[in-house]
Amino acid sequence: AQSVTQPDIHITVSEGASLELRCNYSYGATPYLFWYVQSPGQGLQLLLKYFSGDTLVQGIKGFEAEFKRSQSSFNLRKPSVHWSDAAEYFCAVGDTNAGKSTFGDGTTLTVKP
Amino acid sequence: DTAVSQTPKYLVTQMGNDKSIKCEQNLGHDTMYWYKQDSKKFLKIMFSYNNKELIINETVPNRFSPKSPDKAHLNLHINSLELGDSAVYFCASSRRTATDTQYFGPGTRLTVL
Repeated sequence: AQSVTQPDIHITVSEGASLELRCNYSYGATPYLFWYVQSPGQGLQLLLKYFSGDTLVQGIKGFEAEFKRSQSSFNLRKPSVHWSDAAEYFCAVGDTNAGKSTFGDGTTLTVKP
Repeated sequence: DTAVSQTPKYLVTQMGNDKSIKCEQNLGHDTMYWYKQDSKKFLKIMFSYNNKELIINETVPNRFSPKSPDKAHLNLHINSLELGDSAVYFCASSRRTATDTQYFGPGTRLTVL
């Protein structure tokens, strides 16, 4: 069965600093990988996704993620964090056979002024 | 234009009561989901419907019964509510399967007293 691990429960960065959120997955075939963001009191919104092609994926709000098959990772990055980026971030892997996505436990991002 | 809407947004009720949450999507998607997010923000899939047919039924108590009158609607009925049912419930939809982007509703915060 597929699984997703987000090793960092909580990350705090200063506004303007760079950000990297880690995601490791376990899946037998080529994975469908997603990053979603959940702002306080809201539903999840897609930041970016990967299935095939260029391993560096660009998303909304200045985010990008890099798929590394050898490391089973799909880390999310942003060069300069804004206060509005404070939110919960979820990595997910889509399973074509099971017809569902499995979500990681999330990483809470706090942005210091 | 709200893509995925849920009602109500907040639901406070007593133990033992029966309640329903409604979900509608206007995206023309074939697949809809119910997720439960607990107080630690862990997100777990409960059910998935594709064209009104139940395709995923995770380990969820029988007190939870989804109903899909048409592919644009997926409602969740909960019988005999328990304290542990307190959570935020999210409805989501995707074009076909979970390997497609999921669009989430704003959530329904259920509090059982």
